[in-house]
Parts: sequence; C-alpha cells; structure tokens
Amino acid sequence: AQRVTQPEKLLSVFKGAPVELKCNYSYSGSPELFWYVQYSRQRLQLLLRHISRESIKGFTADLNKGETSFHLKKPFAQEEDSAMYYCAPETSGSRLTFGEGTQLTVNP
Amino acid sequence: GAGVSQSPSNKVTEKGKDVELRCDPISGHTALYWYRQSLGQGLEFLIYFQGNSAPDKSGLPSDRFSAERTGGSVSTLTIQRTQQEDSAVYLCASSLTDRLTWGTGELFFGEGSRLTVL
Repeated sequence: AQRVTQPEKLLSVFKGAPVELKCNYSYSGSPELFWYVQYSRQRLQLLLRHISRESIKGFTADLNKGETSFHLKKPFAQEEDSAMYYCAPETSGSRLTFGEGTQLTVNP
Repeated sequence: GAGVSQSPSNKVTEKGKDVELRCDPISGHTALYWYRQSLGQGLEFLIYFQGNSAPDKSGLPSDRFSAERTGGSVSTLTIQRTQQEDSAVYLCASSLTDRLTWGTGELFFGEGSRLTVL
C-alpha cells in the first residue's frame, strides 16, 4: 500500500545540536517530495521541496531512492525551529499525502 | 488579505446536526484542497478541485461529507448528521497550478475551521 511514515511523533533536542526528522515513503515511481511546517499559532506552510534542491532556514532534505527516504536535517537547531513538521509526497492526481507529523522541540 | 480565508474559525455543534464550512481561496488559484487534521492522525486528504474538472472525492470518509466549489472560487464543505468522530480541524488550501512540481507548485493553507461535535 502507498504510504508515508514519520516514525517519530515527538523529537526533542537542545539548541545547537543536529536534528534529523525522518520520513519514509512507499509510492511507485518517483513522487515529488515536500516538507511542510506549522509553527505555533501559524498556518501550515511549505518549508522546502526536493525539486528545488534548496536549503531553507538551514534545513536540507536528501532523497534516498534506494531507502525511499526523504529525511530533513539541520546541523545546528535553533529554538525557533520548534514546530510540527510534515513530510508530503505528491501522489497521483496532483495531491499531497501528508505523514502524521513530527513535533520538534528545541530546548534552550 | 491575500491569503486563504476560512470560516467559521470555530464551530461547536450537537451530534446529528449539519454543518457548513467555507473556504475563500487566493484569487487566481485554480486548485483547491480540503484536508482534515485530527489529533494524532496527521492531515487526511478529503477532496480536491481543479478548474472545471470533476473533483477528486476519493478522500471523503462517508456520504455524509460533500463539497462544492462555485464559480471556480469559493468552496463549501458540508457535513450532514455530524458525529463525534467528525471533530477535527478542517483545513483548506489553494494552489496556483494543478501540478505541484511546476511553477510555484505550493499549497497555501488557511487557518482552519475547528469543529467540535458534542
């Protein structure tokens, strides 16, 4: 079955520590992949997309087709990174399927 | 405002009542999506509208749920005979294109409508 998995519902790190939010997917073909973020009391918004190969707010995401993973990484976490993060492959029909999300807390 | 607007922001209703949730997408956006965000469940796709094409209703959980989009703009999500398990935040999003990988290809979300069914 097609699905996207974010194995960690909660992730807590200290400021300055590296952080990795895991995402695994099982979709046929090569779906386009996105990370969305929701900061406290803000709207859900796009963080980055694989096709752009971009780094946003210090975050990068590497696609590993062999492992079908698209983990989100940042070498030095900041307190303002605390948020809910969703991995989202684009599935057939031009829609995004979101994972269950990972709540990241960066402690001072 | 130029963002996606949803109303009401909060709705409390009694089991068995019907509710309507409204979404005003960003002007000029041809694609409109409804998602449901439940505690511990992530975001669940409900329905997708693109231009004049038939909507993708494959995510609607039951026939109590329906949605329409009038004039290619405003959309209304209707839940009939609400049940307690319908309690959630209902999110609307719009996109400039129907191909998320082209152009801006980004979903812009509203703040959501929080539905509580007593």
